Amino acid sequence: DAGVIQSPRHEVTEMGQEVTLRCKPISGHDYLFWYRQTMMRGLELLIYFNNNVPIDDSGMPEDRFSAKMPNASFSTLKIQPSEPRDSAVYFCASSPPRSSYEQYFGPGTRLTVT
Amino acid sequence: SQQGEEDPQALSIQEGENATMNCSYKTSINNLQWYRQNSGRGLVHLILIRSNEREKHSGRLRVTLDTSKKSSSLLITASRAADTASYFCATVHNSGYSTLTFGKGTMLLVSP
Repeated sequence: DAGVIQSPRHEVTEMGQEVTLRCKPISGHDYLFWYRQTMMRGLELLIYFNNNVPIDDSGMPEDRFSAKMPNASFSTLKIQPSEPRDSAVYFCASSPPRSSYEQYFGPGTRLTVT
Repeated sequence: SQQGEEDPQALSIQEGENATMNCSYKTSINNLQWYRQNSGRGLVHLILIRSNEREKHSGRLRVTLDTSKKSSSLLITASRAADTASYFCATVHNSGYSTLTFGKGTMLLVSP
């Protein structure tokens, strides 16, 4: 089992550019979560999906952030336009059905916006 | 908002010693989970304790839960340098949602 896969692992971009982060959840998992981690704010839940449907996006900081899950094996988190304060590590996690909500995290994407 | 709050924020011990980390939370929970994060890596699930359980063991890990005090502790016995990591507690609310609410973590340093 490959675990949750995220790409890219590192992204450096200039302010104003569009950034797309990608995630492949563990096969068979029906929940997918996007988190952002910073030293100041810790781990924040941005949005989560169940069976490819967005359930709660109240953690998305602003309209510049959007997320999609076109199928059970792929999700994207897009930031457009990016700003320096978006610099953080973004994690994707997935959770199997009928579980106690244990989550399996990907390795993260470290985003730096200059 | 962050519900779990770990204590201490940082802990430094020698190999072989025990490490104890605490977590407090604010509202009723379904279960509480502990995760470990090595530097530069994603979080890894360690152990889960349900609201009707008081203590649980997994290898060198021992977790306790006191729902009356809304607190939990994670004990790592006979620590090793490889245990150096950040440790997070996460709670699942009774609201029915399937999300975890993470604390800010305890950074554990185990020196050889």
